[in-house]
Amino acid sequence: KQEVTQIPAALSVPEGENLVLNCSFTDSAIYNLQWFRQDPGKGLTSLLLIQSSQREQTSGRLNASLDKSSGRSTLYIAASQPGDSATYLCAVRPTGNMLTFGGGTRLMVKP
Amino acid sequence: EPEVTQTPSHQVTQMGQEVILRCVPISNHLYFYWYRQILGQKVEFLVSFYNNEISEKSEIFDDQFSVERPDGSNFTLKIRSTKLEDSAMYFCASSEGQGYTEAFFGQGTRLTVV
Repeated sequence: KQEVTQIPAALSVPEGENLVLNCSFTDSAIYNLQWFRQDPGKGLTSLLLIQSSQREQTSGRLNASLDKSSGRSTLYIAASQPGDSATYLCAVRPTGNMLTFGGGTRLMVKP
Repeated sequence: EPEVTQTPSHQVTQMGQEVILRCVPISNHLYFYWYRQILGQKVEFLVSFYNNEISEKSEIFDDQFSVERPDGSNFTLKIRSTKLEDSAMYFCASSEGQGYTEAFFGQGTRLTVV
């Protein structure tokens, strides 16, 4: 059974720092991996989608990498801003029909 | 930008009552999903739906749950007899295809069973 783990569970950084969020999964047989942002009490906003054949994807200040063989992904956020404060979720697609989520990293960026 | 829309945003119901959560997926999407998130826990898959059939479901999705696409735009989740442990945020999602496509989520319905 696929398990997804995110480390750290919480992170507090000063504004302007570059930071890395980690995601690991136990089974490398995945279709893709998706990073989401969740604001308190809100829905999930898709940030980046990496296909299993890809190594990384970039969107603005965000860069996500995927090492499928080792079961790891990282989300790099450059020049963090207070508006980046949210919970970041990693999810893998082990079958065509479902996503398996990690527990998230709660990020606080202090002005 | 197209988005997945869910109603209501918050529903309070008494234990044992039936509830229907509603979703309008993105219009050209063919695959629809329900997930839930109990407070403080991971987001969990419930069910996927394609071509008017359930394509996959989790062990959580037991006989008290059902899904339906009653018309060309709505996708619903019915919980027949709610329990206290059904209290959670329920998310609807949709995608153009399965497998390699991106899933887009709605804002969620917070269900509180009292």
